[in-house]
Amino acid sequence: AQKITQTQPGMFVQEKEAVTLDCTYDTSDPSYGLFWYKQPSSGEMIFLIYQGSYDQQNATEGRYSLNFQKARKSANLVISASQLGDSAMYFCAMREGGTNAGKSTFGDGTTLTVKP
Amino acid sequence: NAGVMQNPRHLVRRRGQEARLRCSPMKGHSHVYWYRQLPEEGLKFMVYLQKENIIDESGMPKERFSAEFPKEGPSILRIQQVVRGDSAAYFCASRETGTGGRGYTFGSGTRLTVV
Repeated sequence: AQKITQTQPGMFVQEKEAVTLDCTYDTSDPSYGLFWYKQPSSGEMIFLIYQGSYDQQNATEGRYSLNFQKARKSANLVISASQLGDSAMYFCAMREGGTNAGKSTFGDGTTLTVKP
Repeated sequence: NAGVMQNPRHLVRRRGQEARLRCSPMKGHSHVYWYRQLPEEGLKFMVYLQKENIIDESGMPKERFSAEFPKEGPSILRIQQVVRGDSAAYFCASRETGTGGRGYTFGSGTRLTVV
C-alpha cells in the first residue's frame, strides 16, 4: 500500500492567491513526522515545513502552513500569497519512528505552476 | 557552516563502467541517507549509514550497488557496471544525532547519465 499519496500531479494558481497541495499518509506507528519539500527546476531539494505526530498545533513557516488532520491522516500544505518563484515540484514525505528514526518515504509529487 | 556537499553534480558513464558518487555531510552530522530520483518520480530511499556502519540498506539493489561512510572522509555510493536504468538523480541527506524528528538537509544531488 502507498504510504504517501499525493493525488494532484499538477496544480495551477494565480499569483497572490493561496493554494492547497494535498497529502495523505498511511502508518500504524504512533510516532512519525511529516515533511514538505520543494524542488525547483534547478533540482535541489529544499525543506519547507515539519509536523510531528504529537504536535498539538499545525506547523507554520512564513507563507507555508501544514493543515494536519490526524484522524483523516492528511497533511496538506497551504501556500498563501503565491509568488512566481513558488513554481516548482512539491513533495510530501513521512518518517516513522522517534528521534532515532531513519528513512523517509516520499510521495510522487505535485507540480505547482503560479500564473502571473 | 557549509551544507551537504555532493560531487560531482553531473556524471556521465558508459554502460559497464563504474560510478562513484560522493557526499560530505554537514559538519557535526553523523547520519547520512542516499535517495534515488528517477525522472518524473519522487525520491526512493536507498541506504542509511552512520559512521562506519550501514544501518538500513533495504532500498539498495542487491547487485552492483554499495555504500560506505568511513570514519574519515565522505560517504561514497558506488555503482558497478552501470546500465541505462541507473540514470537518475542521486541525493544525499544528513542530520545530527537526536534530530530524527526534523527535516534533514539535502545536498544538490548528482545527476548520473549512462550512455
